[in-house]
Amino acid sequence: KQEVTQIPAALSVPEGENLVLNCSFTDSAIYNLQWFRQDPGKGLTSLLLIQSSQREQTSGRLNASLDKSSGRSTLYIAASQPGDSATYLCAVPTGGGNKLTFGTGTQLKVEL
Amino acid sequence: GAVVSQHPSRVICKSGTSVKIECRSLDFQATTMFWYRQFPKQSLMLMATSNEGSKATYEQGVEKDKFLINHASLTLSTLTVTSAHPEDSSFYICSAMTDQETQYFGPGTRLLVL
Repeated sequence: KQEVTQIPAALSVPEGENLVLNCSFTDSAIYNLQWFRQDPGKGLTSLLLIQSSQREQTSGRLNASLDKSSGRSTLYIAASQPGDSATYLCAVPTGGGNKLTFGTGTQLKVEL
Repeated sequence: GAVVSQHPSRVICKSGTSVKIECRSLDFQATTMFWYRQFPKQSLMLMATSNEGSKATYEQGVEKDKFLINHASLTLSTLTVTSAHPEDSSFYICSAMTDQETQYFGPGTRLLVL
């Protein structure tokens, strides 16, 4: 059974800091990995999707990397802003289909 | 494009009543939709896969008679929580999958059962 873990569970940083969120998964037979953002009481916004053939993807201040062999992905946020405060979730497809298994989440707070 | 809506956004009901939650893909057709549940400060857990024109596929441990799913059209799936109890209080999120197999998520429905 695929298990997805995210570290740290919560993170509080001052504005402007660069930070790294970690995601690990137990079954490396995945064909992609996705990072999402969730604001309190809201749905999910997709941030980045990395195919298994890729090592990283970038979108603005966000950079996500994927190392399938070690079962890890990282989300790098450069020059963090208060508007980045949210919960970040990683997810991988499960069972060879389109069902997603979500990580435990990292709750980020960026303070002024 | 690729917008998914849910209705209602919040609902409070009495224990023992049934509640219906709608998930709509507004600008695309989705033969497959997914229903997730999220408890406070926890991650999303897949409940079931909703397939247009056929029966839903439920994850292990999810009672199909309690969580009724109907996917009668290519743009609408409904989740009915039957005989709701306080432990069913949760945040329910749906996603709709495009032909390119990309999932777009709804804004969620918060259910509180008194």
